[in-house]
Amino acid sequence: AQRVTQPEKLLSVFKGAPVELKCNYSYSGSPELFWYVQYSRQRLQLLLRHISRESIKGFTADLNKGETSFHLKKPFAQEEDSAMYYCALSGQGTYKYIFGTGTRLKVLA
Amino acid sequence: DVKVTQSSRYLVKRTGEKVFLECVQDMDHENMFWYRQDPGLGLRLIYFSYDVKMKEKGDIPEGYSVSREKKERFSLILESASTNQTSMYLCASSSNLEAFFGQGTRLTVV
Repeated sequence: AQRVTQPEKLLSVFKGAPVELKCNYSYSGSPELFWYVQYSRQRLQLLLRHISRESIKGFTADLNKGETSFHLKKPFAQEEDSAMYYCALSGQGTYKYIFGTGTRLKVLA
Repeated sequence: DVKVTQSSRYLVKRTGEKVFLECVQDMDHENMFWYRQDPGLGLRLIYFSYDVKMKEKGDIPEGYSVSREKKERFSLILESASTNQTSMYLCASSSNLEAFFGQGTRLTVV
């Protein structure tokens, strides 16, 4: 079964602390993995995708096929990082995006 | 700048009403989606469409139908609204590598 699991509903960290948002997936094949973010009163938007191997707003995510994980990391959290984060996958040759249940990140001053 | 526009930000409907949620995209994308977003449940796929007049059920299609008569427009229909369909509805369109979302429609069924 295709599934994306985000075990934490809420993650609170202090400003300047490291952040790791966990994401595990289940998919038979080679999926495309994404992180989407929704800031307060804004629409959901792409943060990063694994094939780009990019760092956006200081965030990175490494695809670990052995552990079927795609955790999102940032070494020093900022208050403006407070948002809802969704991990998602899309299968090769399919059109669907499957989302996790989301993790709300709160960065405390 | 990609635009996915949903016709309403807020809707209040009565139980049993037929409800139409409209979504328009301007990027000539073939793929379009309807999700509902509920706290603790994330985004759940209702229906998606990969071409005009083509549609496939997602994970929670019961109580919903869709229409895609033109490439840029994808409509979600609640045949007979019920209170358990009170939710935030998100439309999206996608290229191969990114989904673009509308601003959402918060539907309340009373």
